[in-house]
Amino acid sequence: DAKTTQPPSMDCAEGRAANLPCNHSTISGNEYVYWYRQIHSQGPQYIIHGLKNNETNEMASLIITEDRKSSTLILPHATLRDTAVYYCIGRGGSNYKLTFGKGTLLTVNP
Amino acid sequence: DTAVSQTPKYLVTQMGNDKSIKCEQNLGHDTMYWYKQDSKKFLKIMFSYNNKELIINETVPNRFSPKSPDKAHLNLHINSLELGDSAVYFCASSQVEGNGYTFGSGTRLTVV
Repeated sequence: DAKTTQPPSMDCAEGRAANLPCNHSTISGNEYVYWYRQIHSQGPQYIIHGLKNNETNEMASLIITEDRKSSTLILPHATLRDTAVYYCIGRGGSNYKLTFGKGTLLTVNP
Repeated sequence: DTAVSQTPKYLVTQMGNDKSIKCEQNLGHDTMYWYKQDSKKFLKIMFSYNNKELIINETVPNRFSPKSPDKAHLNLHINSLELGDSAVYFCASSQVEGNGYTFGSGTRLTVV
């Protein structure tokens, strides 16, 4: 799995967009970028994943650079409930495991 | 219906005891996992089963023995519990090349 680097913490004002960066310069061509989050005391929750193209779902958008060395998770209108640790993970399609790093603690402030 | 359910939610036990944690998924997924989250909040994979076959064993002590009676269930039995086993244990499931993992809500194990 690709090694990923994320800032340890970020703050965001409620109602504003939260942009969470992730570096994955060693990602290989067949590895997807996955994003999960863990709200305090809960199990991790899948958010979104992508390979090359930008992706959007009801939770977030994922912007992957053309060289695939970095990506940004965007929560368009952050709420207090989005306060969580966000994990960026590189994973090959046939790889049976997700390897979690330290993630980014996003704190959404009122 | 809960997609991935674990029981019990909390477990407090004495050192040396043997305990089991159960996990069931109703998503029809082929693969199930056990993860351990310690006090420093690092999430580490322990085991992975695909269609009842052990795929991953991440150098977990022999005291931990997973059992998968069918592809919807993956139980974790722990012998001779130690203080260091105190953690939150998460079960998860996925299709191998699907959209991602679905995690249970965790079992908080406290060994005293």
